[in-house]
Amino acid sequence: AQSVTQLDSHVSVSEGTPVLLRCNYSSSYSPSLFWYVQHPNKGLQLLLKYTSAATLVKGINGFEAEFKKSETSFHLTKPSAHMSDAAEYFCVVDLWGQGGKLIFGQGTELSVKP
Amino acid sequence: GAVVSQHPSRVICKSGTSVKIECRSLDFQATTMFWYRQFPKQSLMLMATSNEGSKATYEQGVEKDKFLINHASLTLSTLTVTSAHPEDSSFYICSARVPGTSGTEAFFGQGTRLTVV
Repeated sequence: AQSVTQLDSHVSVSEGTPVLLRCNYSSSYSPSLFWYVQHPNKGLQLLLKYTSAATLVKGINGFEAEFKKSETSFHLTKPSAHMSDAAEYFCVVDLWGQGGKLIFGQGTELSVKP
Repeated sequence: GAVVSQHPSRVICKSGTSVKIECRSLDFQATTMFWYRQFPKQSLMLMATSNEGSKATYEQGVEKDKFLINHASLTLSTLTVTSAHPEDSSFYICSARVPGTSGTEAFFGQGTRLTVV
């Protein structure tokens, strides 16, 4: 069975410091993985995606994530946090062969302090 | 990228009434759309898969008679919350993926905040 676990429900960083949001997945085969961001009362915006090409994936707004099969991880990072990065972040795995369903992690709320 | 438009963004209704939420794919044809529900400070829960021209597929525990889904065209799916009650108050989000492209991103609507009073 496929699943995704976000290890931190809340992360707080200071502006200008690095961001690390952790995600582990479980899958019987190489999955497609995504990170989405959600600002309050808004829909979801894609940050980046991994689909079995390069293991280091660069996304929008300076975010990137590295797919590590040996660790079954897909952690999201950013070198320097900005106040506008404060939002909810979701790690998502694609359910192949099930009509395009996605499984969402529990979400990580990122707070950025001035 | 592709655009999914959801309407209304916010709705308040009285207990016992029904509310319809629309989800449109603006620049592509979506044979499948997905409806999610999100409680405050929680993740998205898949409610159902909406299939154009056929019945929706509901996830376990979701009442199909309560949450009516209609996917009448390749660009429009609707979710109707029937006989709404305060416990139905939530944030509802739809999404769609470009057909025939496994592993590609899903595009999400802006969400609908439903408040039942």
